[in-house]
Amino acid sequence: SQQGEEDPQALSIQEGENATMNCSYKTSINNLQWYRQNSGRGLVHLILIRSNEREKHSGRLRVTLDTSKKSSSLLITASRAADTASYFCATGVVGSSNTGKLIFGQGTTLQVKP
Amino acid sequence: KAGVTQTPRYLIKTRGQQVTLSCSPISGHRSVSWYQQTPGQGLQFLFEYFSETQRNKGNFPGRFSGRQFSNSRSEMNVSTLELGDSALYLCASTYGGQTITDTQYFGPGTRLTVL
Repeated sequence: SQQGEEDPQALSIQEGENATMNCSYKTSINNLQWYRQNSGRGLVHLILIRSNEREKHSGRLRVTLDTSKKSSSLLITASRAADTASYFCATGVVGSSNTGKLIFGQGTTLQVKP
Repeated sequence: KAGVTQTPRYLIKTRGQQVTLSCSPISGHRSVSWYQQTPGQGLQFLFEYFSETQRNKGNFPGRFSGRQFSNSRSEMNVSTLELGDSALYLCASTYGGQTITDTQYFGPGTRLTVL
């Protein structure tokens, strides 16, 4: 079953605008990760935020994590056409029985128009 | 370092057949995880292997199996294929030394079509 629920499911913006995607999850986590997928290809890791962190930056990406609300957001600033892709949040769940297992949300499809 | 490689990239099979997919992790990575991606169910965890042992398993029927070799390469096998097994199968590797799930590096996937 999916742990993460992502919002919105689809997002269409103009180049240069910011894109914000949200993710909610259900159980205790060690970390939350964001991945990008282009047209049914493999996933590319974007950023990882640990459960004791509240905000993290990487280039044009900013991720926040609120463990009290079990939610995270991904902000892409100054978007480019090349950012067009599907974005997934994935959680590394607490517990040795969950080692090696990421639980993915359904994803947000982002379209950036030139 | 070379990335995660998966072979074959595309595969067409008929119902009832079996299929074997291969994954070569990044050099030095000892953990390989497999995922199935479908439009309806999204990305779902199949299983994870670490040092030739299955360490974790998702909620898939016994028709789905896997193994890992001493060089960390992994294979997954699906027997008695069903139409619903049509999917993109992704493998991911990580060093795996920790008991938490850290960044996973994904291969390009194998697109399986069952007719």
